[in-house]
Amino acid sequence: DQQVKQNSPSLSVQEGRISILNCDYTNSMFDYFLWYKKYPAEGPTFLISISSIKDKNEDGRFTVFLNKSAKHLSLHIVPSQPGDSAVYFCAASEGASGTYKYIFGTGTRLKVLA
Amino acid sequence: DTGVSQDPRHKITKRGQNVTFRCDPISEHNRLYWYRQTLGQGPEFLTYFQNEAQLEKSRLLSDRFSAERPKGSFSTLEIQRTEQGDSAMYLCASSPPRGLGNYGYTFGSGTRLTVV
Repeated sequence: DQQVKQNSPSLSVQEGRISILNCDYTNSMFDYFLWYKKYPAEGPTFLISISSIKDKNEDGRFTVFLNKSAKHLSLHIVPSQPGDSAVYFCAASEGASGTYKYIFGTGTRLKVLA
Repeated sequence: DTGVSQDPRHKITKRGQNVTFRCDPISEHNRLYWYRQTLGQGPEFLTYFQNEAQLEKSRLLSDRFSAERPKGSFSTLEIQRTEQGDSAMYLCASSPPRGLGNYGYTFGSGTRLTVV
């Protein structure tokens, strides 16, 4: 039972353009969402978070949008840079559970072409 | 703040051997998590500690797996009688006590286990 889904395994974008990575979830109790970036042979690096009381959170070139009714979130990267090439994971958690155990999607490999 | 440290970075072992991994979290973080990641998958939750107490274990954590966090500082993950299916990247993460704002983890670089 995949509670967090990233249906696009890969995405290629030209440098300077917008990258949009999508994530869907099935558990309506999820109320905290994270995006991580992962380079080969390294652990995931935290990018940006959003709680369910918001529908948008922005940090520099990164913006996360949350649509609770659709159980969908997306990460926008503008402008995309070659250094953004990595695997991106979304993750979701039930804050009320107290453990902040995150369920991760399978990832989307982003390639930014120079 | 030196981040989350994991040791070793790589481990190759023969099937049936026991292995132990170590994780040193960020010093002020009281929460510690172990995850496992296989090729093409996202990290999968294994277990969670708050201070020295192990509060949750995934059903992925069979009887051959055991984790400890003595004194609420570093943690160890032991796999007994390793099987080829245990080959994966084992990730440790830590997070501070609950507060406002960011609820994200800080991950270590992981220990890559290969069982031959």
